[in-house]
Amino acid sequence: AQSVAQPEDQVNVAEGNPLTVKCTYSVSGNPYLFWYVQYPNRGLQFLLKYITGDNLVKGSYGFEAEFNKSQTSFHLKKPSALVSDSALYFCAVRDTGGGNKLTFGTGTQLKVEL
Amino acid sequence: EAGVTQFPSHSVIEKGQTVTLRCDPISGHDNLYWYRRVMGKEIKFLLHFVKESKQDESGMPNNRFLAERTGGTYSTLKVQPAELEDSGVYFCASSQVDGPNSPLHFGNGTRLTVT
Repeated sequence: AQSVAQPEDQVNVAEGNPLTVKCTYSVSGNPYLFWYVQYPNRGLQFLLKYITGDNLVKGSYGFEAEFNKSQTSFHLKKPSALVSDSALYFCAVRDTGGGNKLTFGTGTQLKVEL
Repeated sequence: EAGVTQFPSHSVIEKGQTVTLRCDPISGHDNLYWYRRVMGKEIKFLLHFVKESKQDESGMPNNRFLAERTGGTYSTLKVQPAELEDSGVYFCASSQVDGPNSPLHFGNGTRLTVT
């Protein structure tokens, strides 16, 4: 069965510094990978996805993610963090059954401080 | 366009009681999904409707949970009787197509607390 690991419960970064939120996955076959963000008292919002093609995927709000097949990772990155980026981030992989049935990680709380 | 809406936003009930959660998907989205996040853990898939039909209900934890989508519009998720371990945030999501090129649109969730 597929799985997603987000090894950090929380990531703290200063505003203006680069940020990385880590994600590793396990899936048979080609992975379809996603990042979603949850702001306080809101639902999850789609940030970006990797299906095929370039390993560096660009998404919303200046975020990007790098797919690394050999390391089975899909880390989320942003060159310069903003306080408004503070939120809960979830990595997900599509289930082998296909469609929009996703397996999510446990989430990483990102805190960007002045 | 209006987003996915869920009601109520919060519900506190006692063990043994019944609770019904409602989800209104984005208009025109045939695919509707229920997910759940138990405190601090991963978000887990519960089930998937295509219009009024259950496409996949493999994630439903047990027979205390009943999901319906009569008429293929809004959906309800009933928990009867509720147990303490049912506490968590229940998310509904919808999409036009059931595939990775049609990402999920999530509602704000219903936070259920069973005491």
